[in-house]
Amino acid sequence: ETGVTQTPRHLVMGMTNKKSLKCEQHLGHNAMYWYKQSAKKPLELMFVYNFKEQTENNSVPSRFSPECPNSSHLFLHLHTLQPEDSALYLCASSQERNRAHEKLFFGSGTQLSVL
Amino acid sequence: QQQVKQSPQSLIVQKGGISIINCAYENTAFDYFPWYQQFPGKGPALLIAIRPDVSEKKEGRFTISFNKSAKQFSLHIMDSQPGDSATYFCAAAGAGSYQLTFGKGTKLSVIP
Repeated sequence: ETGVTQTPRHLVMGMTNKKSLKCEQHLGHNAMYWYKQSAKKPLELMFVYNFKEQTENNSVPSRFSPECPNSSHLFLHLHTLQPEDSALYLCASSQERNRAHEKLFFGSGTQLSVL
Repeated sequence: QQQVKQSPQSLIVQKGGISIINCAYENTAFDYFPWYQQFPGKGPALLIAIRPDVSEKKEGRFTISFNKSAKQFSLHIMDSQPGDSATYFCAAAGAGSYQLTFGKGTKLSVIP
């Protein structure tokens, strides 16, 4: 087990639904990340939190809304998604965002299907 | 400028053979080059990483070769085993940067 737990593992939602993805890390890290993984595309960094503060938003549409209540938990709130948002959403953590070249620890992801 | 180009997209190797995956980059500011390994149903995990001050780094059966002048680096898996079957991602980051630029991945299948 990597120490980063994501729930649910699979999610199917309609375009009008609202759902949330949850991530929890048990590694004592201070930085947490959301990545999007689509078939045959590079991993895309979506959001970065360092010590609970959002430090990066890579031009992600507002239908994705992150929340980081503490250094151990990260949420991704979803609403009015589009079919092209179907992908594997990966959470990751590292010791600290400001350290260069930190090793990322990934969860197993949530496979999202938008109908 | 920020891309990392990875090839091949898929690779089939016989057990005991050598698996080679190549990556190329354009941004000369990149100075950290990790490889991540992802098994089906799992998230990526760091496998091995190199900095441009060395031309090669070896960890067990896994070796990164780095060619700074050509702006290329590659992963070699010696004595490939069926348990190595996974998707491999190369990545790069600039000096002082936490943000990784990933390649598109290579799906490796090692057949008995």
